[in-house]
Amino acid sequence: SQQGEEDPQALSIQEGENATMNCSYKTSINNLQWYRQNSGRGLVHLILIRSNEREKHSGRLRVTLDTSKKSSSLLITASRAADTASYFCATGDQGGSEKLVFGKGTKLTVNP
Amino acid sequence: NAGVMQNPRHLVRRRGQEARLRCSPMKGHSHVYWYRQLPEEGLKFMVYLQKENIIDESGMPKERFSAEFPKEGPSILRIQQVVRGDSAAYFCASSPPGGNQPQHFGDGTRLSIL
Repeated sequence: SQQGEEDPQALSIQEGENATMNCSYKTSINNLQWYRQNSGRGLVHLILIRSNEREKHSGRLRVTLDTSKKSSSLLITASRAADTASYFCATGDQGGSEKLVFGKGTKLTVNP
Repeated sequence: NAGVMQNPRHLVRRRGQEARLRCSPMKGHSHVYWYRQLPEEGLKFMVYLQKENIIDESGMPKERFSAEFPKEGPSILRIQQVVRGDSAAYFCASSPPGGNQPQHFGDGTRLSIL
């Protein structure tokens, strides 16, 4: 069953603007991970945030996690054309297995 | 420092044939996962393996699909008697031992069924 749901499904912005993508999930989690996928390629791991963390930064990326609302957001600041990709959130649940449950992704287009 | 290696990158099979997809995890990673992605969709979990053990196969179709991760060599995802609906991108990921670790993905195998 679908766990993570990204919002919006598609986002188009100009270079230099910030991009915010949201993810909601349904069950209790151990962690939430964000990935980027360029067309025709594999997924690149961006950030893992654990259930006891609220915010994490990596370069131009900022991820927040609100376990009370079962939601997370990914902020990309000062976007570049090279950030154009699909972004997925994935949750690792507390069920014992290490499997990830992915949403359908947000397709981000950064126009030069 | 090689990442997760998958081969082949592209595989074409006719209906009824067998498909074998291989995955070598990152060095030091003992956990392997297989996911399937249909066009414009997110990834769907198939199976999670550790060396010589299947830990979670809750996402595997009941028939025709099998996976292994032997003591030596790569992990193999095997699809017997392929059908058109098996056409998809199949991704392998690996992670180090211990829970709550990021999974690192290969570039996938794109399987096309004629």
